[in-house]
Amino acid sequence: QSVLTQPPSVSAAPGQKVTISCSGSSSNIGNNYVSWYQQLPGTAPKLLIYENNKRPSGIPDRFSGSKSGTSATLGITGLQTGDEADYYCGTWDSSLSVWVFGGGTKLTVL
Amino acid sequence: QLQLQESGPGLVKPSETLSLTCTVSGGSISSSSYYWGWIRQPPGKGLEWIGSIYYSGSTYYNPSLKSRVTISVDTSKNQFSLKLSSVTAADTAVYYCARHWVVDTMVRGVIRWFDPWGQGTLVTVSS
Repeated sequence: QSVLTQPPSVSAAPGQKVTISCSGSSSNIGNNYVSWYQQLPGTAPKLLIYENNKRPSGIPDRFSGSKSGTSATLGITGLQTGDEADYYCGTWDSSLSVWVFGGGTKLTVL
Repeated sequence: QLQLQESGPGLVKPSETLSLTCTVSGGSISSSSYYWGWIRQPPGKGLEWIGSIYYSGSTYYNPSLKSRVTISVDTSKNQFSLKLSSVTAADTAVYYCARHWVVDTMVRGVIRWFDPWGQGTLVTVSS
């Protein structure tokens, strides 16, 4: 059972928009910065978003991040079949003194 | 461009010690802005942070694994290593190393994230 809760799966059609939620508490998301990672099948995770809403160079602006209270959201617009992957949120938990990841969300582009 | 590469045995016997090394290329491990971390992923499951180390040797570990984990750094070889003792089948996983950014803004708090990641190495615990 992950400290951060993500939906197990989401799906949408090509070209559409999808959001993936990450719910936590005041000891983690509420008082720390969130990052998001994309894991394509058979590959290592890759940073998509850091500091809640910043994109590293090379990450298209179709990917966005936001945070409100104890929840964070990853948004993906203009969905492509190449976006099919597992997506993980992550943050520091100040009470547990541990970095925590969400359980992951599998994105299917129908 | 910074790259990380994990190496070590792919098969470890139960009760023995798992040992992995991460070699950093394209940059120095002795940078004041980063820690260096280990993360694992059991087959078909999610990610679990194991621990991180600073180039000075300062470490912090996941409390759930702390009693069995040792992370060390060798700045002369630009490498850091993981040792996990008394392994069981539950420790079977893909093990990733990653640069662990830890930025203390002083005003806006500490910002943390992992980037980049190594390609990962599968370690199977089996007799």
